[in-house]
Amino acid sequence: DQQVKQNSPSLSVQEGRISILNCDYTNSMFDYFLWYKKYPAEGPTFLISISSIKDKNEDGRFTVFLNKSAKHLSLHIVPSQPGDSAVYFCAASMYGGSQGNLIFGKGTKLSVKP
Amino acid sequence: DAGVIQSPRHEVTEMGQEVTLRCKPISGHNSLFWYRQTMMRGLELLIYFNNNVPIDDSGMPEDRFSAKMPNASFSTLKIQPSEPRDSAVYFCASSLNRAQPQHFGDGTRLSIL
Repeated sequence: DQQVKQNSPSLSVQEGRISILNCDYTNSMFDYFLWYKKYPAEGPTFLISISSIKDKNEDGRFTVFLNKSAKHLSLHIVPSQPGDSAVYFCAASMYGGSQGNLIFGKGTKLSVKP
Repeated sequence: DAGVIQSPRHEVTEMGQEVTLRCKPISGHNSLFWYRQTMMRGLELLIYFNNNVPIDDSGMPEDRFSAKMPNASFSTLKIQPSEPRDSAVYFCASSLNRAQPQHFGDGTRLSIL
């Protein structure tokens, strides 16, 4: 019973275009969400987060949108670069930002083609 | 700055053997997490410590798994006896506190034959 779902295992985008990665969750108690990026043979790296009191958070080329009513969040990367090619994990927690119990999705592999 | 350091990077052993995975968190970080990643289940939290004390071990699959944090700069995850279904990548992560993003090590790829 997956509480955090990333339904697209892979995504291919042309360099310079927008990449949109999606994540759905089922538990309405989740109140903090994060995106991690992972390169092969490395550990996940924190990218960006959002609290449930917001609906958007932006950091450079990366923007996360949260739609609480739809229990959906998305990560937008604009413009996409070949170095963005990696696996992206969505994660959620339900303790006001305390991340002791992060629940991860299974990831989406993004390929950005030059 | 040194990140989270895990050892070994790869471990291949026969079933029934004891396996010990090691983790050195980032200096000054008070929270430490052990995860397991498999194709079937993705990335799952096994246990986490706060100030060296285990807070939640509900993700530990069974009694064959144990974790310790004897001091702020070292933690171990032990599997005894190991089984082929334990084959996975095991990650250790640390954070300044439970409200801060976690920093992951590069993982230990464990293969049990």
